[in-house]
Amino acid sequence: QKEVEQDPGPLSVPEGAIVSLNCTYSNSAFQYFMWYRQYSRKGPELLMYTYSSGNKEDGRFTAQVDKSSKYISLFIRDSQPSDSATYLCAIGYGQNFVFGPGTRLSVLP
Amino acid sequence: NAGVTQTPKFQVLKTGQSMTLQCAQDMNHNSMYWYRQDPGMGLRLIYYSASEGTTDKGEVPNGYNVSRLNKREFSLRLESAAPSQTSVYFCASSSSGGGGTQYFGPGTRLLVL
Repeated sequence: QKEVEQDPGPLSVPEGAIVSLNCTYSNSAFQYFMWYRQYSRKGPELLMYTYSSGNKEDGRFTAQVDKSSKYISLFIRDSQPSDSATYLCAIGYGQNFVFGPGTRLSVLP
Repeated sequence: NAGVTQTPKFQVLKTGQSMTLQCAQDMNHNSMYWYRQDPGMGLRLIYYSASEGTTDKGEVPNGYNVSRLNKREFSLRLESAAPSQTSVYFCASSSSGGGGTQYFGPGTRLLVL
């Protein structure tokens, strides 16, 4: 079983839709949870970062962590064409980071 | 403030050739990382440096060497390139290795023929 699993997509949604992106992980030692956005031919950039179970909101983005189920989610409200990118989850403890393979999202105008 | 910079942006090598990928950060970060990104595989850690003067192997270190030249610079060397090393290479830095947010460079696209 891979340490972090993520549906690679691609996922296509109409502009204005609510998008749900998910990752599951297997190691209960993981302590911090991140979501990165990567535009084509660019480096990943951090979107959300959290230590704890529960929700964290930042504008149109909400990160949700359920440590008991080893499941994390990123919700995007009122999605825009500019949200079209690959979204990577990253989970870590200490010096150890593991990235999911990324989900490619297209938001259609 | 440039963040993390990488050179070159793109490189083509023949099998057996060597090259060094350069990375520099101007954020005074302690930790630096080299990743490779392949389709469907996500980002895989090659080497990291928790602080100036230290380096450690990551998930896929074979065929690579690194040098933490100073606090700003962290280079990745391929001594004898192989087609399996065709990939996009990203350098990242963070203020601390334990839970610190990683900031990524723009990447180097490497093609080994």
